[in-house]
Amino acid sequence: QKEVEQNSGPLSVPEGAIASLNCTYSDRGSQSFFWYRQYSGKSPELIMSIYSNGDKEDGRFTAQLNKASQYVSLLIRDSQPSDSATYLCAVRRGSQGNLIFGKGTKLSVKP
Amino acid sequence: NAGVTQTPKFQVLKTGQSMTLQCAQDMNHNSMYWYRQDPGMGLRLIYYSASEGTTDKGEVPNGYNVSRLNKREFSLRLESAAPSQTSVYFCASQDSQAYEQYFGPGTRLTVT
Repeated sequence: QKEVEQNSGPLSVPEGAIASLNCTYSDRGSQSFFWYRQYSGKSPELIMSIYSNGDKEDGRFTAQLNKASQYVSLLIRDSQPSDSATYLCAVRRGSQGNLIFGKGTKLSVKP
Repeated sequence: NAGVTQTPKFQVLKTGQSMTLQCAQDMNHNSMYWYRQDPGMGLRLIYYSASEGTTDKGEVPNGYNVSRLNKREFSLRLESAAPSQTSVYFCASQDSQAYEQYFGPGTRLTVT
């Protein structure tokens, strides 16, 4: 089982819809969880961090964490074509400082 | 604040040539990282430095060496480049309390 798994996509949603991106992780001791956005040809950019169970909202973005199910998700409300990018999930295992990255989900928002 | 800077942005090498990729951060972070990113493979950790004066191997260290020159700078050296090292290389630094990593703009390396 891979440490951090994401559906590679592409996930296609119409403009204005909610995009839902999912990530599962294998290490139950994982402590910190991150979502990065990566535009084609650019570097990953941190958009959300979440450390405890529940929801965390920042503008149009909501991160959701369920440690019992080892599941973290990112919701993007009112999706815009400018949200079209690859979204990387990253997890910090409890015993280490390093992050483990998923391979990313490619999101396409159609006008 | 420049954040994390990397040089060069692009490089073409011939097999067997050597080069050093430079990385610097101005966020006073202790930890710094080198990743490579290849299509379908995601980000793979090459080497990291948890603090000034220490370095450790990551997932794919073969063919690379690193130097943590000071708290700001962390360089990656390819001693004898191979076509398999054609990739995009990213440097990152990490906040030691929040564990958030911040990435540089990347170096696109082609080895022919």
